[in-house]
Amino acid sequence: GEDVEQSLFLSVREGDSSVINCTYTDSSSTYLYWYKQEPGAGLQLLTYIFSNMDMKQDQRLTVLLNKKDKHLSLRIADTQTGDSAIYFCAETLGSSNTGKLIFGQGTTLQVKP
Amino acid sequence: NAGVTQTPKFRILKIGQSMTLQCTQDMNHNYMYWYRQDPGMGLKLIYYSVGAGITDKGEVPNGYNVSRSTTEDFPLRLELAAPSQTSVYFCASSYDRGRSSYNEQFFGPGTRLTVL
Repeated sequence: GEDVEQSLFLSVREGDSSVINCTYTDSSSTYLYWYKQEPGAGLQLLTYIFSNMDMKQDQRLTVLLNKKDKHLSLRIADTQTGDSAIYFCAETLGSSNTGKLIFGQGTTLQVKP
Repeated sequence: NAGVTQTPKFRILKIGQSMTLQCTQDMNHNYMYWYRQDPGMGLKLIYYSVGAGITDKGEVPNGYNVSRSTTEDFPLRLELAAPSQTSVYFCASSYDRGRSSYNEQFFGPGTRLTVL
């Protein structure tokens, strides 16, 4: 079945760039998403990319999509301590839009001052 | 708007007990979802609903039931609780923007359930 894989942990220094990687399996996904979860809270949508795009930039966030390799990445420029959280990659399940998502395991980003 | 609210925040159940996790949204979203989050495992979809009166199974529906009698409410029922159901449960909702548009899910704060 469909699967989304992420590395579990990333540690960076404040001010550095962070790159979180994700691989997915469903080539018919129309949208791919990055969600952020802060401690003790639910997930919040951080950004998303349409499947016919290669890149999307939104302030400090850059999303890169390689459809051939089914690889998605999230780059956070000038990482701050407030960016410490768990980041989830998610793909839509098939080309329908029931909103069903498949989530990765989440990458814990630790930002050291 | 309160967004998505969930009650209770925490609960401890004994094996074999039953309970209902409540979820309400005030954004008039037609889609609603229940997920469970186990440590290091991401979120797994339990059940979802595309509108009042319509529900369907997700990836891990066994041991759970849902109903959707109104647009606002989407309760999750656990019958005969088992230790394997110890998890954090998240309810989410979203608005149907159509097949060609993205679908942002709004999450509640979660219910932490322990079954002993």
